[in-house]
Amino acid sequence: DTGVSQNPRHKITKRGQNVTFRCDPISEHNRLYWYRQTLGQGPEFLTYFQNEAQLEKSRLLSDRFSAERPKGSFSTLEIQRTEQGDSAMYLCASSLLAPGSDTQYFGPGTRLTVL
Amino acid sequence: AQSVSQHNHHVILSEAASLELGCNYSYGGTVNLFWYVQYPGQHLQLLLKYFSGDPLVKGIKGFEAEFIKSKFSFNLRKPSVQWSDTAEYFCAVKGVNAGNMLTFGGGTRLMVKP
Repeated sequence: DTGVSQNPRHKITKRGQNVTFRCDPISEHNRLYWYRQTLGQGPEFLTYFQNEAQLEKSRLLSDRFSAERPKGSFSTLEIQRTEQGDSAMYLCASSLLAPGSDTQYFGPGTRLTVL
Repeated sequence: AQSVSQHNHHVILSEAASLELGCNYSYGGTVNLFWYVQYPGQHLQLLLKYFSGDPLVKGIKGFEAEFIKSKFSFNLRKPSVQWSDTAEYFCAVKGVNAGNMLTFGGGTRLMVKP
């Protein structure tokens, strides 16, 4: 399967701890996105990379959140000093910049539970 | 800012019934429109998309959607549902000049009774 992969699939942590998630996009895709989804809601955009450059960040992304894509391939999303309100599914998507077509393909997500 | 509204949160149908899920968006310019599906225990998958051209778009598994610009709508349809269509369906919009993020609706949970 050469789709988007995310690790870990599940993470349980205590409030105040730091967590880091990884996303590996589809290999030729140059765009990578992070979204957050809470129960009963649609995904909400967090941030977006084109190659290694972080081009957009949502106001949802507080200063406790940081994302990187150091070599334009995989990406990490770190949450510092986790809070119970951070409990959610964190989704990664990737796409290929092409004229007239920019479709995002999603990974399975990392489910974060903050106790 | 762009927004998406899905009016039906839960829909229950019997097999072979016809399906129409509503999706309305708010954005003043050109849009790309998408329907994604999430089957139980699986990740979001693309059902169909509209970028330009024919406003009637056909997707996988017999689904189609029609873009009606004057109504800011992109409703999803299927003439005859199957039990395997039980899933959550999300409509999403990307404003062409509003960055590259997708804005999703709240989703519609469809249950098809055998």
